[in-house]
Amino acid sequence: GAVVSQHPSWVICKSGTSVKIECRSLDFQATTMFWYRQFPKQSLMLMATSNEGSKATYEQGVEKDKFLINHASLTLSTLTVTSAHPEDSSFYICSALTFTGELFFGEGSRLTVL
Amino acid sequence: GNSVTQMEGPVTLSEEAFLTINCTYTATGYPSLFWYVQYPGEGLQLLLKATKADDKGSNKGFEATYRKETTSFHLEKGSVQVSDSAVYFCALSQPGTSYDKVIFGPGTSLSVIP
Repeated sequence: GAVVSQHPSWVICKSGTSVKIECRSLDFQATTMFWYRQFPKQSLMLMATSNEGSKATYEQGVEKDKFLINHASLTLSTLTVTSAHPEDSSFYICSALTFTGELFFGEGSRLTVL
Repeated sequence: GNSVTQMEGPVTLSEEAFLTINCTYTATGYPSLFWYVQYPGEGLQLLLKATKADDKGSNKGFEATYRKETTSFHLEKGSVQVSDSAVYFCALSQPGTSYDKVIFGPGTSLSVIP
């Protein structure tokens, strides 16, 4: 099946720094990718929809200046957590939509902000 | 708005026991319904899906039937194995103008003991 890869899978950073997480569709092109946040023992919360070549669409309550999303190519979307704080510590998951409407998920990236 | 409700976990079963994880949904229109599984340390994988009323999705011994009259999509397996230990998410796909947005339930953690 299709593969979506996230990098890094685990990152620890100091408060105030920015962290970039990459989401790549390895064997298909994805015009649409999604970014989710998952809190411990909770479900996935959709943060934003990333469309190739255009601005991301953010869900209500998600700060777009805090969580910068760039979808520069058909196989890569990036999420940058700017000026990270401990409350931003979470598990971030991306998914990519194929042209046939199937959704594939990355393995997730765990962010810990000290 | 659209939403998905699942039975709360964690659920602990002995190997070869019967599994049921309840899922009900609220939606306008006719959503597609899904079960996703997340194994420890991994991203989500599609387990099964059903796209219209009375459809039955099945995979790896798991089954779920799309019940429009009760707005339910309960997950069942006749005989669980230790390898089935994971978190299971019920989800619905909300049709959009250009892509479908997936809404997840809170997840149910399953532990199967030998």
